Amino acid sequence: DAKTTQPPSMDCAEGRAANLPCNHSTISGNEYVYWYRQIHSQGPQYIIHGLKNNETNEMASLIITEDRKSSTLILPHATLRDTAVYYCIVRVEGRRDDKIIFGKGTRLHILP
Amino acid sequence: KAGVTQTPRYLIKTRGQQVTLSCSPISGHRSVSWYQQTPGQGLQFLFEYFSETQRNKGNFPGRFSGRQFSNSRSEMNVSTLELGDSALYLCASNLGQLNTEAFFGQGTRLTVV
Repeated sequence: DAKTTQPPSMDCAEGRAANLPCNHSTISGNEYVYWYRQIHSQGPQYIIHGLKNNETNEMASLIITEDRKSSTLILPHATLRDTAVYYCIVRVEGRRDDKIIFGKGTRLHILP
Repeated sequence: KAGVTQTPRYLIKTRGQQVTLSCSPISGHRSVSWYQQTPGQGLQFLFEYFSETQRNKGNFPGRFSGRQFSNSRSEMNVSTLELGDSALYLCASNLGQLNTEAFFGQGTRLTVV
């Protein structure tokens, strides 16, 4: 089962910042938080990941709470092309395999 | 560099037939994973291959199998197709090292009639 909880859907006005929350209250010390998004009928696209420090790249920022039990993905200036399902995932470092357990994600609607 | 390539993009098969899907990972990536996506179940992990060995397997029946070649390309096979196997099948590759992101292909849309 997925170890994360996300709201099923969210709306955001175009040009505004989109803040997508994720709860991962059972996260372990060696687990990273990853974010992917999936635009309709395409393969998931990697956005960003982090362990405990806040991270930023050209696509988004990731804010992880100090207790690491929740995080927020921030799209600073949302556009219509950001309409997608966003998945928050925890992955374990140190394992000898790679398996992503997806939850149901958040369907983000960008409103013109 | 080229992304993950899956072939074919679309496929229609009849119940009882078998199907083989192909995935070419990003150059240098040694790990290939397969996922099934359906409207009802969402994205579900099928299996992962690393250096031609299956490292991990999801909860799917034995009709679903896969393999990886020495050049890291991977195939998955589904035998005795059922209507419920209709789905988007996605392949992801990564370096196989710790803390590296996975890159997904565009998927193969399989329809079983």
